[in-house]
Amino acid sequence: QVQLVQSGAEVKKPGASVKVSCKASGYTFTSYDINWVRQANGQGLEWMGWMNPNSGHTGYPQKFQGRLTITRNTSINTAYMELSSLRSEDTAVYYCARGCSSTSCYQENWGQGTLVTVSS
Amino acid sequence: DIQMTQSPSSLSASVGDRVTITCRASQSISSYLNWYQQKPGKAPKLLIYVASSLQSGVPSRFSGSGSGTDFTLTISSLQPEDFATYYCQQSYRAPSITFGQGTRLEIK
Repeated sequence: QVQLVQSGAEVKKPGASVKVSCKASGYTFTSYDINWVRQANGQGLEWMGWMNPNSGHTGYPQKFQGRLTITRNTSINTAYMELSSLRSEDTAVYYCARGCSSTSCYQENWGQGTLVTVSS
Repeated sequence: DIQMTQSPSSLSASVGDRVTITCRASQSISSYLNWYQQKPGKAPKLLIYVASSLQSGVPSRFSGSGSGTDFTLTISSLQPEDFATYYCQQSYRAPSITFGQGTRLEIK
């Protein structure tokens, strides 16, 4: 079955960077985009960006451009989300989700979420 | 950017009620609209894709409709496990996606 398993919780100081991993199994990793979505406590879902694991192409909304980098290692079917210049407002649960294929576009499978806490 | 607006933001209902949640897009998105359910401490779960297709394993009391800018999610007879937060999402501009702000469904 399709699984996305994320790395564990992180505590970071303001100004630092965090890198969260998302290991995929149960499907062909390069056939589906990977999306990253975050959720602050008690708030809604916020889309952060996408990556095509086959080409490595990425896209980020303007809010995260310059601060967010999504990468992958296809040899171990793992995607990474790195957010820099962290501030307290970045405290949230971060999710990876399997995204678009060549024929469909919805987030059918999600990781379990990774809590990132930014605190001095 | 395409903005997605859900209404209401919160809703109180009773077991057995019929409930409708609305999602409006800031521009036409054809049928590229998905619905998710999220329970506290859990990842979102896909319910409906391309406006009206029921995801495998989702109970038939859930249904979706609409096209263009206006969409609805209907739960025909609320069950205790349906109390959760619901999100719409556009995939018209995929791979760039946008979520609505969410609708919290609470027990009356």
